[in-house]
Amino acid sequence: QKEVEQNSGPLSVPEGAIASLNCTYSDRGSQSFFWYRQYSGKSPELIMFIYSNGDKEDGRFTAQLNKASQYVSLLIRDSQPSDSATYLCAVEAGNEKLTFGTGTRLTIIP
Amino acid sequence: GAVVSQHPSWVICKSGTSVKIECRSLDFQATTMFWYRQFPKQSLMLMATSNEGSKATYEQGVEKDKFLINHASLTLSTLTVTSAHPEDSSFYICSAPVGHGREKLFFGSGTQLSVL
Repeated sequence: QKEVEQNSGPLSVPEGAIASLNCTYSDRGSQSFFWYRQYSGKSPELIMFIYSNGDKEDGRFTAQLNKASQYVSLLIRDSQPSDSATYLCAVEAGNEKLTFGTGTRLTIIP
Repeated sequence: GAVVSQHPSWVICKSGTSVKIECRSLDFQATTMFWYRQFPKQSLMLMATSNEGSKATYEQGVEKDKFLINHASLTLSTLTVTSAHPEDSSFYICSAPVGHGREKLFFGSGTQLSVL
């Protein structure tokens, strides 16, 4: 069974610090990796996606992928209170179907 | 940008009744839509893939006779929860891919279903 694992948290980070979110996946055939942010009672919104090994930066967000270790992470620099949410890692194995992790609840402390 | 509209946002119903949830692509055509279910503090679980003009593809363990999916047009997919029971209470979310990029998957706003 394909699995995506995340630490459920909660993860508390002081405002202005770097938040680091981690995700591991079991399917070596996975091709695409996504990070979504979900506020309580709302649907997910895409933050980052990454396909290739290495780092990908977009503003305050950096996604890191290591396919050999089956590991993907999201770094949030200069954390803001508005970043407080649940972050979902999702993995796609080439058929447009996403498998989601259970999410990590992040709280930014002012 | 592309928008996926989902209606209703929330619904409360009595046990045994049926509930229909609509998912519309507002400014693009969606030959495929995905239906997810999310229980509190749990992950989104894919229920089925809705295909325009053909039968939906259901994930293992999802009862196709209980969760009826109709994708009759390129802009509308519906999920009907038949004979709903309290254990069906959940957050239901639809999504649709836009274009060919795998990153272009837009989600509806979700429907919170509460079955009494």
